[in-house]
Amino acid sequence: GAGVSQSPSNKVTEKGKDVELRCDPISGHTALYWYRQSLGQGLEFLIYFQGNSAPDKSGLPSDRFSAERTGGSVSTLTIQRTQQEDSAVYLCASSSGSPRETQYFGPGTRLLVL
Amino acid sequence: GEDVEQSLFLSVREGDSSVINCTYTDSSSTYLYWYKQEPGAGLQLLTYIFSNMDMKQDQRLTVLLNKKDKHLSLRIADTQTGDSAIYFCAEVDGANNLFFGTGTRLTVIP
Repeated sequence: GAGVSQSPSNKVTEKGKDVELRCDPISGHTALYWYRQSLGQGLEFLIYFQGNSAPDKSGLPSDRFSAERTGGSVSTLTIQRTQQEDSAVYLCASSSGSPRETQYFGPGTRLLVL
Repeated sequence: GEDVEQSLFLSVREGDSSVINCTYTDSSSTYLYWYKQEPGAGLQLLTYIFSNMDMKQDQRLTVLLNKKDKHLSLRIADTQTGDSAIYFCAEVDGANNLFFGTGTRLTVIP
């Protein structure tokens, strides 16, 4: 069946520009997560959506980062005024419920800020 | 957030066993996971263990958990070149957040 998809797969942008990253979770999954993997670093939790509840934004590194999930399905992660330290692979995952449920990851979006 | 630590690199010869280690700090962890990331691919869940278990075996994979020392390991028997990847351990804290280690890059030498 279809897994988690993300677009674009690669994005190169100039410092100061805004970028939008998209995630299509597995159909029917109520939980959606965004993570960031920087070079040489572990995975960093960013934000968690569960159903219609207010998202857990505790992992967002600054107010330049925001995310939306429309209609309980597709999610968009927006980074405003990108900085070079934002360069990383941004991974999206979805699950059928709480974080204790298996999370299925997308292939990631590789962001390079010049 | 919680600290989850792993060594960054491991090299083994094909056919040998690989042991990837992980330590964590959250004493309230109830689930611990091992993920595999192959080049250009997303994360793949390999296995997970409940904190009330000491060991879990799944074909070539053996997970050992020492809850007292907060130490988790993944043993891969008869390591193959296709096992070359980055392996992440992860734990769920008391607030239901998932924290990952830095990943261990396993290189299998033919």
